[in-house]
Amino acid sequence: EADIYQTPRYLVIGTGKKITLECSQTMGHDKMYWYQQDPGMELHLIHYSYGVNSTEKGDLSSESTVSRIRTEHFPLTLESARPSHTSQYLCANSVEVLQYFGPGTRLLVL
Amino acid sequence: GQQLNQSPQSMFIQEGEDVSMNCTSSSIFNTWLWYKQDPGEGPVLLIALYKAGELTSNGRLTAQFGITRKDSFLNISASIPSDVGIYFCAGRGGSARQLTFGSGTQLTVLP
Repeated sequence: EADIYQTPRYLVIGTGKKITLECSQTMGHDKMYWYQQDPGMELHLIHYSYGVNSTEKGDLSSESTVSRIRTEHFPLTLESARPSHTSQYLCANSVEVLQYFGPGTRLLVL
Repeated sequence: GQQLNQSPQSMFIQEGEDVSMNCTSSSIFNTWLWYKQDPGEGPVLLIALYKAGELTSNGRLTAQFGITRKDSFLNISASIPSDVGIYFCAGRGGSARQLTFGSGTQLTVLP
């Protein structure tokens, strides 16, 4: 287990709003990840971090940004939400190659 | 980049039946992982495989790392209703730093 938490679990918000999705872990692992997943579809890596002050973009281009100021937290921010951002966002950390996922945040942008 | 082909895309089976699904890659992998995702939740790691030919079980689940290192199989024996969900394979090989995920197999178990 990697004890990884995400808040909120569900978010309904209007177009143009700024949102931050929280991801936190208790195990102090260096590597953390954000994936975007449409319902029942495959996972797409949008951001990852290998430690404090380290962030990289993933395979899928995303308008979101991330920060890693502390090992425990890896928040994802959308400056101006749009309906095309509607999706499920999954945070994960890893021990070696094994990735452990949080419960996800389901985002609906109206 | 590395690509994974997971099949079947969906399965409908009767409770009690055995299930098989597989993933094939375009390149050699060093690690294969299998996850299960329940609706509205994050994927949960089921089994990890590290060596060609390796066969690993987790309860009624058994997974194998293919000899060619380009495929992996997951079998579920005597399916039950709580087996319903999406099963994802994932793997990593060569110099890749990230996991590559399959597109998932949606499993439905009929009573």
